[in-house]
Amino acid sequence: DVVMTQTPPSLSVAIGQSVSISCKSSQSLVASDKNTYLNWLLQSPGRSPKRLIYQVSKLDSGVPDRFSGSGSEKDFTLKISRVEAEDLGVYYCLQGTHLPLTFGSGTKLEIK
Amino acid sequence: QVQLKESGPVLVQASETLSLTCTVSGFSLTNYGVIWVRQPPGKGLEWMGIIWRNGNTDYNSALKSRLSINRDTSKSQVFLKMNSLQTDDTAIYYCTRHTLDAWGQGASVTVSS
Repeated sequence: DVVMTQTPPSLSVAIGQSVSISCKSSQSLVASDKNTYLNWLLQSPGRSPKRLIYQVSKLDSGVPDRFSGSGSEKDFTLKISRVEAEDLGVYYCLQGTHLPLTFGSGTKLEIK
Repeated sequence: QVQLKESGPVLVQASETLSLTCTVSGFSLTNYGVIWVRQPPGKGLEWMGIIWRNGNTDYNSALKSRLSINRDTSKSQVFLKMNSLQTDDTAIYYCTRHTLDAWGQGASVTVSS
């Protein structure tokens, strides 16, 4: 199984600051169709997970452009610019290239 | 709009079988697969398995011996059955479209010893 190593496990940030979350995979996430199926999800407190970004850098509809994803092969980053209060929750990376799909362990974002 | 909703028992006895239903709307099960994911209390997310749009299935190897996923396309429903439950199967169980862009609200299941 592909292991997704996500860091840091938690972040505490003031409103308006920027943060980055790293996700490294144990295997390349480039699929046979040349796409890279790396997703970022946010689970707000008491809510279901919600996909923010797919295929490394594509934002889902309605996701603010303060969110951005980057990376390739085995090394990926989620950046949140100008953090807002509504951004708090747990962020997960999820690879969809290889079965079984595997998640990172999560990064809990708290607002100072 | 696209919606998924999980339903099933809240409390199950250890050693018994869990049966959950995911009822979808706004899309067809012949066009999209459905994934089951679970989350133990205070822990992360675990992929359980998928039923593809053609009806084929794939399972997490750790659960494969206990898990089955089926569907009724005419009712837009996907079914999860997992036997020999233990207390560490206590979790919130989510269904999601295979594209991961739509998730159910989750079904909280407690396994009692």
